[in-house]
Amino acid sequence: SQTIHQWPATLVQPVGSPLSLECTVEGTSNPNLYWYRQAAGRGLQLLFYSVGIGQISSEVPQNLSASRPQDRQFILSSKKLLLSDSGFYLCAWSGQGAYEQYFGPGTRLTVT
Amino acid sequence: GENVEQHPSTLSVQEGDSAVIKCTYSDSASNYFPWYKQELGKRPQLIIDIRSNVGEKKDQRIAVTLNKTAKHFSLHITETQPEDSAVYFCATSGTYKYIFGTGTRLKVLA
Repeated sequence: SQTIHQWPATLVQPVGSPLSLECTVEGTSNPNLYWYRQAAGRGLQLLFYSVGIGQISSEVPQNLSASRPQDRQFILSSKKLLLSDSGFYLCAWSGQGAYEQYFGPGTRLTVT
Repeated sequence: GENVEQHPSTLSVQEGDSAVIKCTYSDSASNYFPWYKQELGKRPQLIIDIRSNVGEKKDQRIAVTLNKTAKHFSLHITETQPEDSAVYFCATSGTYKYIFGTGTRLKVLA
């Protein structure tokens, strides 16, 4: 069966520091991968999605970037965090040709 | 651009009563309509979905109905229980991407 991992689970970072969040999927090949952000008490904002290695589509212009160095690995990065980057970051995957998206456990980021 | 409106934003029901959450969408190309349940501090979990060639789907106490002509779909929860308390999100998809509704906080009162 398929499993999706995210780490770290929680993170507290000062403004201006860099960020790297990692997501990996097991048990499937060539998944579509997604990064979402959820502000406290709010909805889900799609940040990036990828349909294959090296293919990244950005939905929201901001100080974040994403990379997919391996088939089942998706990384979210920032060079300098802002206070507004605080939130719950969720990675999700779907199978090729499938609609259903499944979310990882999330990383709760607090920028101080 | 495409958007999904979800109502109500909060809903309180007595245990055992039914709950209905409605979503309206604008993109005619949408052909997949999932519903997610998110408990406090947890990840969203897919609880039921429907495709555009089906008008209704049921799974035990939950059901989803779709009216493609009117571009709206609804989640129905019958015989609500305290563990149904959560935030529910609808979404639409026509390709790789989802467009999510803004969420409904459901409280089931014991």
